Amino acid sequence: KQEVTQIPAALSVPEGENLVLNCSFTDSAIYNLQWFRQDPGKGLTSLLLIQSSQREQTSGRLNASLDKSSGRSTLYIAASQPGDSATYLCAVTDNYGQNFVFGPGTRLSVLP
Amino acid sequence: DVKVTQSSRYLVKRTGEKVFLECVQDMDHENMFWYRQDPGLGLRLIYFSYDVKMKEKGDIPEGYSVSREKKERFSLILESASTNQTSMYLCASSLELSYEQYFGPGTRLTVT
Repeated sequence: KQEVTQIPAALSVPEGENLVLNCSFTDSAIYNLQWFRQDPGKGLTSLLLIQSSQREQTSGRLNASLDKSSGRSTLYIAASQPGDSATYLCAVTDNYGQNFVFGPGTRLSVLP
Repeated sequence: DVKVTQSSRYLVKRTGEKVFLECVQDMDHENMFWYRQDPGLGLRLIYFSYDVKMKEKGDIPEGYSVSREKKERFSLILESASTNQTSMYLCASSLELSYEQYFGPGTRLTVT
């Protein structure tokens, strides 16, 4: 059964720092991987979607990479801002596109 | 922009009541999903639907049922609410099963 973990569970950094969030999954037979952010008490906002054939995706200050063979993805946030403070979750979809498994999330605090 | 709306942000119900949670999306997406999110357990898939009147069980369907009579609307039904169904319920939709998922704002349900 697919399991997704995220390290660290929580992270606190000063404004302006570059940072990396990690996502690991146990079964490399995935169709895609998606990164989300969730603000307290709110729904999830999609950030980036990486297909299994891709190595990375970029959107503004965000860059997500995927190493399917080693079961890992990283989300890189450049020049962090207080508005980036949120919980970041990754989720993988199996090859049938029917099994959606989420990680527990990394809670990020960016201090002004 | 895709918009997914949920009928209530907060709901308080009594044990044994029948509860309906409604979700509506406005982008003609084929697929809709219901998740629950609990501290320490993350997001777990309850049910999803890939077409009108079609549904598939997720990881935790027990105690829940769903209805999709129209493409834009997906309802989650708690036949007889119990206290262990107190949770945050999140609805999502996607164009294709393995495509990017878009989430609603969530319904925080308390069963007393």
